[in-house]
Amino acid sequence: GAGVSQTPSNKVTEKGKYVELRCDPISGHTALYWYRQSLGQGPEFLIYFQGTGAADDSGLPNDRFFAVRPEGSVSTLKIQRTERGDSAVYLCASSGTGILDTQYFGPGTRLTVL
Amino acid sequence: QQQVKQSPQSLIVQKGGISIINCAYENTAFDYFPWYQQFPGKGPALLIAIRPDVSEKKEGRFTISFNKSAKQFSLHIMDSQPGDSATYFCAAHPNQGGKLIFGQGTELSVKP
Repeated sequence: GAGVSQTPSNKVTEKGKYVELRCDPISGHTALYWYRQSLGQGPEFLIYFQGTGAADDSGLPNDRFFAVRPEGSVSTLKIQRTERGDSAVYLCASSGTGILDTQYFGPGTRLTVL
Repeated sequence: QQQVKQSPQSLIVQKGGISIINCAYENTAFDYFPWYQQFPGKGPALLIAIRPDVSEKKEGRFTISFNKSAKQFSLHIMDSQPGDSATYFCAAHPNQGGKLIFGQGTELSVKP
């Protein structure tokens, strides 16, 4: 079946602009996660949804970052007033209902802020 | 502070050799330790995972060894193959919540 998909695969923007990154999870997966991966580093947790609600947003670095999942499926990560330090690969993962269910990752969106 | 420290940063192994990657954690409130494999341009994919009540888990050529008292765990890749060349991440799952905390990664290169 289809895995986790993310669009766009690459996004180049200018400092100060607003960007939206989209994640389509595996069908039927109730949990959805956003991570950020800087070059040469491991993924860093941002936010976790269980259904439509954010169960844990402790990893969001500041109030410029926001994520939604209005219907419990597709999620959008929104970044306002982008900064050069936001440049990274943004990974989305989804999993089933069990808290230890395998997290399946998408290919990521590479964000470059000029 | 919840951290997972991984070493080495990079590793070169000859084909047929054993690759060993080590991780250590500080917080005892973890209940699940997965290893992920990542190829360039791809997202991480689960390779093998272990619970802390087990000291070893083996799946094919991949083995996790877990030392709860030392707060350390390691991945062993037996009979390493060029196709195993990738970046490997250990991770830990806090026993409350869904997130994973990842190590810094090990770039493995298996030479033919």
